[in-house]
Order: sequence, then C-alpha cells, then structure tokens
Amino acid sequence: NAGVMQNPRHLVRRRGQEARLRCSPMKGHSHVYWYRQLPEEGLKFMVYLQKENIIDESGMPKERFSAEFPKEGPSILRIQQVVRGDSAAYFCASSQQGDGYTFGSGTRLTVV
Amino acid sequence: DAKTTQPPSMDCAEGRAANLPCNHSTISGNEYVYWYRQIHSQGPQYIIHGLKNNETNEMASLIITEDRKSSTLILPHATLRDTAVYYCIVRVGNNAGNMLTFGGGTRLMVKP
Repeated sequence: NAGVMQNPRHLVRRRGQEARLRCSPMKGHSHVYWYRQLPEEGLKFMVYLQKENIIDESGMPKERFSAEFPKEGPSILRIQQVVRGDSAAYFCASSQQGDGYTFGSGTRLTVV
Repeated sequence: DAKTTQPPSMDCAEGRAANLPCNHSTISGNEYVYWYRQIHSQGPQYIIHGLKNNETNEMASLIITEDRKSSTLILPHATLRDTAVYYCIVRVGNNAGNMLTFGGGTRLMVKP
C-alpha cells in the first residue's frame, strides 16, 4: 500500500511562470490537505479537499493559488505567476474518516 | 483547537530516554493529544495520540497528566535518527474535518 505520493520532489520555476504540484492520496483516502512550510518556519494549513469539493480554504492566499481534487486523478495545487516568496516546501496529507493524517514527502518549489 | 506550549529545543544523549514535555492547559474534554515529528526535509510523521490514558506503541510512550493539562512524549532509547522537530497538537476527535494545526514544536538533538 503506497503512501501519499507527491510529485515532483523538486520544482524550479522562473518568476511569472505557473507551478503545478500533484498529490496522490493513500488508497482508500478521500480527504486531502495541503500545507506550506516556508524556510525555517512551521507548517501552515492551506486547504482541505474531498473528492470534487473544497471543504476549507481558509489558509489559501487570496490570489494566484488554487486547488482541486477531481473525481479521477491526483489533487493539484496550482500557483500562477509565481514570485520568490512562493519558494517553500509544500506538503500534502491524506486521511479517511476516523484515521490520522499521512503526509507525503513534499514538493520543494524554488522560484528564481 | 487548544494551543500548546513546547520548549523550542532539547538535547538528549544517544541511548538515553528523551522526555519531551507539552503544556495544553486549555484542552477541552473532547480534544485528543497528538504527536508528530518532522525529520529534516521530510514530511511530518505520526507518532502517537491519546485522550486521557497513557499510550504506548513501537515508537514511543505518551504520558498524560490526570488533569490533562500537560503531557510528555517519551522516546525510551533515543538514536541519532530521532533527531527531529517534535510537534504536540491538540485536536477534537479523529475527524477528518478537524485540521492539524502545527505550532513551533521542539527541536530534539540526539548527540553521540
């Protein structure tokens, strides 16, 4: 049973480009959470999704960031027109009702 | 969710027990105590959780005071690979809709 899979592990984008981060939850998990960790800082909640629905996006920046979890395929965190301040590690976690969270290994985004 | 207070850093000698304290004086009756750790550059890893009874698993033991206002995570024989940031989190139940909120954690350094 594979864990939470995130790809790519490392992503380099130039300022103004788009970044797409993918997360495949554990088998049987239908709840996905995205967290961001800025350099030398703690993990901050961004968004919580279930299949085809955004449940809580209270931690998402108001502009340029979006997330989806389609009926088929991985969850996608999309950052448009990236800026240097978006450089961070982005972690995805999944769970099923009654279970704890399982985190992926993260995607490290570097904006140059 | 109730807030937690942890020391920012601790040292422990290899092979000795590591005792990591956490204060959660405003914890509610339906809130559990969770512990996660983050080894450098990796995703957070679940360690253990409990409500009011002490808990033990293959990784650690969790001791919760009778009034539930504080707890201690015990790594019985710390190894160098236990060097990590340890997060104490209180959370209502094990409901997928209740997000994990990470604080600053305790940076544990295990020394040879």
